[in-house]
Amino acid sequence: DTAVSQTPKYLVTQMGNDKSIKCEQNLGHDTMYWYKQDSKKFLKIMFSYNNKELIINETVPNRFSPKSPDKAHLNLHINSLELGDSAVYFCASSQARVGENEQYFGPGTRLTVT
Amino acid sequence: ILNVEQSPQSLHVQEGDSTNFTCSFPSSNFYALHWYRWETAKSPEALFVMTLNGDEKKKGRISATLNTKEGYSYLYIKGSQPEDSATYLCAYSNTGNQFYFGTGTSLTVIP
Repeated sequence: DTAVSQTPKYLVTQMGNDKSIKCEQNLGHDTMYWYKQDSKKFLKIMFSYNNKELIINETVPNRFSPKSPDKAHLNLHINSLELGDSAVYFCASSQARVGENEQYFGPGTRLTVT
Repeated sequence: ILNVEQSPQSLHVQEGDSTNFTCSFPSSNFYALHWYRWETAKSPEALFVMTLNGDEKKKGRISATLNTKEGYSYLYIKGSQPEDSATYLCAYSNTGNQFYFGTGTSLTVIP
């Protein structure tokens, strides 16, 4: 059983489009996260949700919006995609509050904007 | 944005050598320090989570220490093996729910 899953694994789209990346965890964790991996392989946190409440909202453009229909899902919606949005996006989850326990990562979604 | 720095940036060692890396983080409002191992084409996997000053944790040949007063953590690998080749990330969280990864140390173990 996959603990943290993301779909799609690869996403190629054109500038200006709107797209969503889905994330699901079956670990019963309370907190979920979205990260962007930049060209230098640096993981930058974008959002985290704890029991459906936004805990961290880093300085990301408001074109990015997290949506959590329930505790097991945290989807990432991106409006008006730009070339600079091309990156690998990782979803993760952990038990309890942010930083308290180890995070489990999904396989990543490689987004390419042309 | 808080500074979480790792050194060295990259490291090449011979199989059998022992090695260590450093993670530096803000000492104020400390909550927890994480270490992750990230192999190429895979996702990061947790090694340790430490919360108390003086904590030492060990998993096989890998161990870590924590000094929250001075804001650093060391990761040690004893008798490096080629399968240890990966990027090692530390991550810092504080009492304000902020969480940041360091830039990582890339380890290559030469057979």
